[in-house]
Amino acid sequence: GDSVTQMEGPVTLSEEAFLTINCTYTATGYPSLFWYVQYPGEGLQLLLKATKADDKGSNKGFEATYRKETTSFHLEKGSVQVSDSAVYFCALNSLGGYQKVTFGTGTKLQVIP
Amino acid sequence: GAVVSQHPSWVICKSGTSVKIECRSLDFQATTMFWYRQFPKQSLMLMATSNEGSKATYEQGVEKDKFLINHASLTLSTLTVTSAHPEDSSFYICSAPGDRGHEQYFGPGTRLTVT
Repeated sequence: GDSVTQMEGPVTLSEEAFLTINCTYTATGYPSLFWYVQYPGEGLQLLLKATKADDKGSNKGFEATYRKETTSFHLEKGSVQVSDSAVYFCALNSLGGYQKVTFGTGTKLQVIP
Repeated sequence: GAVVSQHPSWVICKSGTSVKIECRSLDFQATTMFWYRQFPKQSLMLMATSNEGSKATYEQGVEKDKFLINHASLTLSTLTVTSAHPEDSSFYICSAPGDRGHEQYFGPGTRLTVT
């Protein structure tokens, strides 16, 4: 079955530091890949996505590249802000099914001033 | 973009009572919706797939008689937690797929506390 593995948190960074959250996946076929963000007390929001190999998703300074050869979709940001503090979920969606989303366990990011 | 709402956002109920949670797609139609449960500091667990006009499909280990799902229209799915117990306390989230099939739109979630 499909699965997503992401690095355990929490991750604590100082403001303006570089962020990487690793994510690898196992899936049949060619899934679409996503990063979702959950701010404290709120629901999930789509942060970025990539639907095919070598695609780069980007939003709000965050980037992730769909690497089929390494089955990875690592999230990066060059300079984090306090407002980026949240839980980040890597996820995939295998086409051809119910469009069910398989989530990783989430990585909590805390950015300190 | 597409919006999914949930009601209520927060509910407290007594053990043994039933609670209904609504999930609505506000500006698009959804023949399928998904219900997730999120435990504290953990990922989302898919509970069931709600299908408009037919029975829901439950994931392994989810009690269908306890978590009743009704998808009565193309914009509304409801989850009823029957005879709730404290261990049912959790954050329940629904989602609906977008038109292109790649994306899911999530509701803001409902926090259920059973006392």
